[in-house]
Amino acid sequence: AQSVTQLGSHVSVSEGALVLLRCNYSSSVPPYLFWYVQYPNQGLQLLLKYTTGTTLVKGINGFEAEFKKSETSFHLTKPSAHMSDAAEYFCAVGDLQAGTALIFGKGTTLSVSS
Amino acid sequence: DTGVSQDPRHKITKRGQNVTFRCDPISEHNRLYWYRQTLGQGPEFLTYFQNEAQLEKSRLLSDRFSAERPKGSFSTLEIQRTEQGDSAMYLCASSPGGELFFGEGSRLTVL
Repeated sequence: AQSVTQLGSHVSVSEGALVLLRCNYSSSVPPYLFWYVQYPNQGLQLLLKYTTGTTLVKGINGFEAEFKKSETSFHLTKPSAHMSDAAEYFCAVGDLQAGTALIFGKGTTLSVSS
Repeated sequence: DTGVSQDPRHKITKRGQNVTFRCDPISEHNRLYWYRQTLGQGPEFLTYFQNEAQLEKSRLLSDRFSAERPKGSFSTLEIQRTEQGDSAMYLCASSPGGELFFGEGSRLTVL
């Protein structure tokens, strides 16, 4: 079985500060990992994904995440937060090509203050 | 707009009534997924179709929940005899295989 744990249900940063959202996964097979963002009253939008190969993955809006197998982690970072980054962020694990669904974490709400 | 479309966006119903949600996926996507999202939680997987075949339905929350995708295009999710605990956002997503594309969801409120 696969699962995801997101550490910290709420993270607050100042505009221009580093954003770090934590995600740890459990998987009995090599994982495919995803970060999605959800803005208020909108659907989930893919930020980035890791399948195989390069472990540092770059996504949209300046976000990136690094797959660390030894730590079973896939933390999301952004060097400098912007007010527009305020949203809910979900980490997910799954292998859609193999026909399994994505399993999501509980989410982390990011607040950005000026 | 060629994204995933869900209807209705909001539904308020009384306990005991039946409700049906519709999802129109991105046209070339053969896989369609239903999730449920409650406040403060991540999306919870319910069921999944590849074309018209329902390949996974053991996660449906009870036998009051059912889903169909009769012609491999749009899908419906029906909840019979609704309960207050069914109040949630119901999300549909479609996929060509590599990632999920989500609709904006259908919010259900059971009074």
